[in-house]
Amino acid sequence: AQSVAQPEDQVNVAEGNPLTVKCTYSVSGNPYLFWYVQYPNRGLQFLLKYITGDNLVKGSYGFEAEFNKSQTSFHLKKPSALVSDSALYFCAVRVLTGANNLFFGTGTRLTVIP
Amino acid sequence: ETGVTQTPRHLVMGMTNKKSLKCEQHLGHNAMYWYKQSAKKPLELMFVYSLEERVENNSVPSRFSPECPNSSHLFLHLHTLQPEDSALYLCASSQDRKRTGNTIYFGEGSWLTVV
Repeated sequence: AQSVAQPEDQVNVAEGNPLTVKCTYSVSGNPYLFWYVQYPNRGLQFLLKYITGDNLVKGSYGFEAEFNKSQTSFHLKKPSALVSDSALYFCAVRVLTGANNLFFGTGTRLTVIP
Repeated sequence: ETGVTQTPRHLVMGMTNKKSLKCEQHLGHNAMYWYKQSAKKPLELMFVYSLEERVENNSVPSRFSPECPNSSHLFLHLHTLQPEDSALYLCASSQDRKRTGNTIYFGEGSWLTVV
C-alpha cells in the first residue's frame, strides 16, 4: 500500500533561517513525489515535483526538495524563510500502478517567526 | 487565479437540504477530481472523472452524487448530508489521469457546513 508520512505536525523557524519540512514515503513501485502548499482559507497550490532525473528539484517561491531513494525521503527546503511562507505544507506520492492517484500526508504547519 | 474555479466558496446547509458544488477548469485538462479535506486527516479522494466518464468512486456515501457534463465542468450534488460531512471540498484537474507525472491542480475549495 502507498503511504506518505509527515512526522512533524508543526515546524517553527525564525525569519531568515533555513527551513526543512520532512516527508517520507512508502510505495511498491517508482514514486512520483509532489509538494503542495495551502495558505489559510485557500486551496492547495503546487510547489514542485520529482519525476526522474536530478535528485534536487527546484520549485516555486525559492523552495526545493531532495529525493533520497535509500532513505525514502523527499524533504522540502528553503535557504532563507520568509514570514509569508507560513502555511500548511502537504507531501504527496503517486505511483504507476493501481489507482494512479495522489496519496497525501497529513500536512505540516510551518510558522515563520519575525 | 489557479485555473480551477469553485463555487460557492462557502455553503451552510441543513441536513434535509439539496445543494450543489460547482467546479470549472480553464486549463484544457481531461481529468477532474473531487477531494474532501477534514481537520487532522489526509486529503481523501472522492471521485475521479476522465473524459467525462467516472473512473473511480472511493466508497463515498450515496448522499454525494457527482456529475461531469463535459471535460471542463464538474458538480457535486449534496442531499441529506450529516454534520460529519462538514469539510473543505476541493476540486482538481490534470492533463491526463493515466500519466503519473502529470500535476494535479486544485481549486480554492468550497467550505461546507452542515447544520
